[in-house]
Amino acid sequence: QKEVEQNSGPLSVPEGAIASLNCTYSDRGSQSFFWYRQYSGKSPELIMSIYSNGDKEDGRFTAQLNKASQYVSLLIRDSQPSDSATYLCAVIFGNEKLTFGTGTRLTIIP
Amino acid sequence: GAVVSQHPSWVICKSGTSVKIECRSLDFQATTMFWYRQFPKQSLMLMATSNEGSKATYEQGVEKDKFLINHASLTLSTLTVTSAHPEDSSFYICSARARDRTLYGYTFGSGTRLTVV
Repeated sequence: QKEVEQNSGPLSVPEGAIASLNCTYSDRGSQSFFWYRQYSGKSPELIMSIYSNGDKEDGRFTAQLNKASQYVSLLIRDSQPSDSATYLCAVIFGNEKLTFGTGTRLTIIP
Repeated sequence: GAVVSQHPSWVICKSGTSVKIECRSLDFQATTMFWYRQFPKQSLMLMATSNEGSKATYEQGVEKDKFLINHASLTLSTLTVTSAHPEDSSFYICSARARDRTLYGYTFGSGTRLTVV
C-alpha cells in the first residue's frame, strides 16, 4: 500500500511568521513530489514540485526533500492570511498515479 | 499554461438518475486522465485512470459499472455517475497528464460538486 502521511492539523501560525508543513511517504523509490494548496470548495492548485534532494525555492515558498528519510516539507515565509488553506502533499509512485496525503489545514492569524 | 476545463461546476440530481461530468484539456493533449472524489474534510481519493482510446483502470472498491469513464479523444474525458444515490454526493475532480510531462505535469479541473437528493 503506497501511502502519504501528513499531520492533519489544524496548524495556526501568526501573520508574518514561517509556516512549516511536513509529509512522509512510504515508497523509497518515489521520484516526484508536489505540494498543492486547496481552498474550501475549490480544486487543488500546484504550489511547488520537487524531484531532487535539497531545497527548492519559489518566492515565499521553499520545498525540502530528503529521499533517505522519505520526507518532504514546505516552508511558507512571511505568512499571509491568504495562505490560510489546506495543503496537500502528493507523491507519484511507480505506477505513475498521483497519491495525495490527507492534507494539513493551515490558518494564518492576523 | 495548461488548462483543464471541467463542466458542470455543480449539479443537483434526483436519486436514480445519471449525471455526466466532462473534462477538456484546452491547450494540450491529455494522454491520461485521472478522476478523483473528495468527501468533506477528506483528501482526494483516486477513483480511476483512463488513457486515451483504452478502457479505464479502476481503483479497488470503485464500481466500474456505476462510474463510467470515457476517454475517446486526447482532449476530452467524461465521467458518468449512473443511478446516483445520496451517498454519491461528493466533489469530483479530474486531473490531466500531458504527453509532455515535463512541460505540463498534472493539471486539475475546477471540480464538480454533485448533490443527489
